[in-house]
Amino acid sequence: QKEVEQNSGPLSVPEGAIASLNCTYSDRGSQSFFWYRQYSGKSPELIMFIYSNGDKEDGRFTAQLNKASQYVSLLIRDSQPSDSATYLCAAEGSSNTGKLIFGQGTTLQVKP
Amino acid sequence: DARVTQTPRHKVTEMGQEVTMRCQPILGHNTVFWYRQTMMQGLELLAYFRNRAPLDDSGMPKDRFSAEMPDATLATLKIQPSEPRDSAVYFCASGLGQLSSYNSPLHFGNGTRLTVT
Repeated sequence: QKEVEQNSGPLSVPEGAIASLNCTYSDRGSQSFFWYRQYSGKSPELIMFIYSNGDKEDGRFTAQLNKASQYVSLLIRDSQPSDSATYLCAAEGSSNTGKLIFGQGTTLQVKP
Repeated sequence: DARVTQTPRHKVTEMGQEVTMRCQPILGHNTVFWYRQTMMQGLELLAYFRNRAPLDDSGMPKDRFSAEMPDATLATLKIQPSEPRDSAVYFCASGLGQLSSYNSPLHFGNGTRLTVT
């Protein structure tokens, strides 16, 4: 079992819809979670991080964390074709060393 | 605009040859990571350093891979001898200590695309 798991997709949504991306993690000691976006042929870039249970909103993006269920999600409202990319979920190791473990990534396709 | 610099951007080599990839972290960042990305495995952590000291290289095949930080401005990843299965994109990333304590993202370089024939 991988430490961070994501459905590889592709997840296809129409423009303007809400895209929901999900991630589960196995290390109960992990405290911080990150969502990175990676365009094809490019390097990952951070879009959100969350470390408290509940929701965190930033513009069209909302990250959700449920530590009891070991579940992290990312919602993208009003999806745009420019959101089409691979979204990587990452968990920081339980020793708070800054070590990030990434999931496989979910490919999102937003269709005009 | 501060950025992580990786060289070379592309490397094609024959099986058995030595490959050296270099990374210049962002000035002031004290944590450096090496990741390998393939379609099958995604982003795998190979090694990481804090204040130039190796903290964890358990993800790295020890028989052929080595990672070092000769100084605070340079991190290297070497493969000797290289094999076709090493073909991947190798990313270096730098950051500041405990990512949960700082609103400071992990910055990735543009990667080195390695092809071993």
